[in-house]
Amino acid sequence: DAKTTQPTSMDCAEGRAANLPCNHSTISGNEYVYWYRQIHSQGPQYIIHGLKNNETNEMASLIITEDRKSSTLILPHDKLRDTAVYYCIVRGTSRAAGNKLTFGGGTRVLVKP
Amino acid sequence: ETGVTQSPTHLIKTRGQQVTLRCSSQSGHNTVSWYQQALGQGPQFIFQYYREEENGRGNFPPRFSGLQFPNYSSELNVNALELDDSALYLCASSFNSYEQYFGPGTRLTVT
Repeated sequence: DAKTTQPTSMDCAEGRAANLPCNHSTISGNEYVYWYRQIHSQGPQYIIHGLKNNETNEMASLIITEDRKSSTLILPHDKLRDTAVYYCIVRGTSRAAGNKLTFGGGTRVLVKP
Repeated sequence: ETGVTQSPTHLIKTRGQQVTLRCSSQSGHNTVSWYQQALGQGPQFIFQYYREEENGRGNFPPRFSGLQFPNYSSELNVNALELDDSALYLCASSFNSYEQYFGPGTRLTVT
């Protein structure tokens, strides 16, 4: 699975949208980009995923560059309430890989009033 | 529709003991994955079960083993517990290879 690079931490203002970047320059053609968030001591929560087109759901939007080497998770203002760690994950789909999720360090988003 | 549940929530074991953790999949899901999350780190993949068979394993020793039952619930067994096994153990279920949904985790402390 391709590795991802994310900022270690970000400060975000409560009530404002946030853009979380992720680099995945070694991503291969059949690998998806997934985003999860984890509030302290809880299980990770699925947010969104995409292959090459931009995606939007009720939680967030995902913008993937045309060369697929980076992406940005856009969190709308009303979804940014809790301090959490946001993980960008590139997931393989081969049977040998077992469809595992390989978590890196993630970005700790500190929401400030 | 119920989500992924795990039991127990917390437990404390002594080094050398054995432990069994349990996970109930979300309704309609046939795949279960287990992860270990040490304090301050991201979750690490242990193994995955698909239709009662192991379908991929991470870099964990054989004393970590699992089962998946016909109702797709699952168990994680760890033998000969070591201090470094202290962690949050997460179970995630999915339908085939689609997105995984995580349970709240079991906090294991080994003393």
